[in-house]
Amino acid sequence: EAGVAQSPRYKIIEKRQSVAFWCNPISGHATLYWYQQILGQGPKLLIQFQNNGVVDDSQLPKDRFSAERLKGVDSTLKIQPAKLEDSAVYLCASSGGQALYNEQFFGPGTRLTVL
Amino acid sequence: AQSVAQPEDQVNVAEGNPLTVKCTYSVSGNPYLFWYVQYPNRGLQFLLKYITGDNLVKGSYGFEAEFNKSQTSFHLKKPSALVSDSALYFCAVRDGNRDDKIIFGKGTRLHILP
Repeated sequence: EAGVAQSPRYKIIEKRQSVAFWCNPISGHATLYWYQQILGQGPKLLIQFQNNGVVDDSQLPKDRFSAERLKGVDSTLKIQPAKLEDSAVYLCASSGGQALYNEQFFGPGTRLTVL
Repeated sequence: AQSVAQPEDQVNVAEGNPLTVKCTYSVSGNPYLFWYVQYPNRGLQFLLKYITGDNLVKGSYGFEAEFNKSQTSFHLKKPSALVSDSALYFCAVRDGNRDDKIIFGKGTRLHILP
């Protein structure tokens, strides 16, 4: 079974530029998550999708961050414009259901550096 | 609001010795508790979880965790550490009575000394 795929693995941009990350979850997984992991901290949930609907985006900075999952499979996370404090690893995860006790399967992450 | 604490930034253990990585939590309802491990340049991997039932939960790679309701703890343990266990470990909690997000601890770096 293929895991969660993310691209790119690394990205370096200057502040005020835009950037997009892509995620392909495990086949059949209806729930998809995007996390931000700042160095020295645990992952922080940005947005959760159930199929193509948003379940929770309460911690997504909506003035600059956006995410979509149009066909209920792949997802993209965009930052526009980027700030220095957006430097972090962006993790995508998926799970087989919406049950609160389901474990999540994580991709390798995208390391973003904003200069 | 739910929260989770990992009081140790780093734990050093000699190879072959038992290891413990501590985690305490706070939720208003019944806790769903998880441990994940992160190796360098890789995403998090699920180790084990507690939902209900037996307080001792067994997971991957010989790890286990003990749920203690009175102490609101969910410490990760392994009887005999391997050098390959060296990694970053995250405890996470979710309130089983509320449709709320999962909260991760800040992580504990485990060093197994050969």
